[in-house]
Amino acid sequence: DTGVSQDPRHKITKRGQNVTFRCDPISEHNRLYWYRQTLGQGPEFLTYFQNEAQLEKSRLLSDRFSAERPKGSFSTLEIQRTEQGDSAMYLCASSFRTSDNEQFFGPGTRLTVL
Amino acid sequence: KQEVTQIPAALSVPEGENLVLNCSFTDSAIYNLQWFRQDPGKGLTSLLLIQSSQREQTSGRLNASLDKSSGRSTLYIAASQPGDSATYLCAGRDYKLSFGAGTTVTVRA
Repeated sequence: DTGVSQDPRHKITKRGQNVTFRCDPISEHNRLYWYRQTLGQGPEFLTYFQNEAQLEKSRLLSDRFSAERPKGSFSTLEIQRTEQGDSAMYLCASSFRTSDNEQFFGPGTRLTVL
Repeated sequence: KQEVTQIPAALSVPEGENLVLNCSFTDSAIYNLQWFRQDPGKGLTSLLLIQSSQREQTSGRLNASLDKSSGRSTLYIAASQPGDSATYLCAGRDYKLSFGAGTTVTVRA
């Protein structure tokens, strides 16, 4: 257990539905990252926050995706109008902004869009 | 954009053999390099972090080296055990991680 938690662990939804995932980082970490991983591939960067500010969004993050970190603690990732291509593992990581910036990952949320 | 490649994609060895996993990256301006382990359907566990000013890191049976000039990192696992069976991922970065596709290791008892 790295100290980063994600909820839910698994989500099955029908195409067109909205889904929301939550990530609770390690409490003293001020940076939070979202990644997406498809089968057989390494994770791909989606977005990251420093405190409550969203500092970068990948081109992978279409308009259907939105992420928030309202109080600089937990974060949510929402996908609207899900598509089958959204099926993936969504991973959250956190780090403390230091020179090494080591990232610690949560267990992930497995999304299946039917 | 940082491109990370891991070779081989899969590896099967008998218990007790040493493992050598390779990682190459295209941008020598890599900041730090981190090695992870991932079990099937699980999240990532950080194994070793090599800062840009370092050339290697060791933890128990694991040793990772970093050669920025050639754009390569190598993870060595000594005296492999069946419990080492997993996918190993390397990631280079500045603040965000760029991952390779991983090497899936099977250690046969």
